[in-house]
Amino acid sequence: DVKVTQSSRYLVKRTGEKVFLECVQDMDHENMFWYRQDPGLGLRLIYFSYDVKMKEKGDIPEGYSVSREKKERFSLILESASTNQTSMYLCASSPRVGTGSTGANVLTFGAGSRLTVL
Amino acid sequence: AQSVSQHNHHVILSEAASLELGCNYSYGGTVNLFWYVQYPGQHLQLLLKYFSGDPLVKGIKGFEAEFIKSKFSFNLRKPSVQWSDTAEYFCAVNEDSNSGYALNFGKGTSLLVTP
Repeated sequence: DVKVTQSSRYLVKRTGEKVFLECVQDMDHENMFWYRQDPGLGLRLIYFSYDVKMKEKGDIPEGYSVSREKKERFSLILESASTNQTSMYLCASSPRVGTGSTGANVLTFGAGSRLTVL
Repeated sequence: AQSVSQHNHHVILSEAASLELGCNYSYGGTVNLFWYVQYPGQHLQLLLKYFSGDPLVKGIKGFEAEFIKSKFSFNLRKPSVQWSDTAEYFCAVNEDSNSGYALNFGKGTSLLVTP
């Protein structure tokens, strides 16, 4: 089975702390993503990566950074956590496929990391 | 701006009722369309997808969706819901291009099915 593993299911941090959220996939996927999920707002894309050491900003990158040193691992970093970053963070991965009829880019999600910043 | 709209935020149905959840998008080019489901306490999982061909696609657990290009819509349907369909449903879109790796999600629809 395809697996995306997020190392922490629940975290509680204090304002100003540096927070690392780790995500590992075992499917040899090229693309990896970080979303945050908030009630009434759906999923919003923070960052994504389509190759090792490559990263692209999503819709809400402010206050976050990412690291992709190895193909299977994609880390989300909150340099200085704030209360408005309290959320559920979802990691996902997908294979790189061509365009046209094979262009369906199906994301596989991890179980999520629920972060509370006090 | 490109967007995905889900019209119903909260839906309550009785078992055996029919379901239709609306989804519209505002992309101008060729798109890939998805419905994901998140059961209580579980991770997001793919319900069905459309990328070409027959605009009526069938997914898991008796769900289906119809792509109507002229209406920019991809509505989800199920003829008879069960209590176990209680979940949050998300419509998602990406452009069919080399840069279109990420999915753009709607805000979700929370479905409660009552016995």
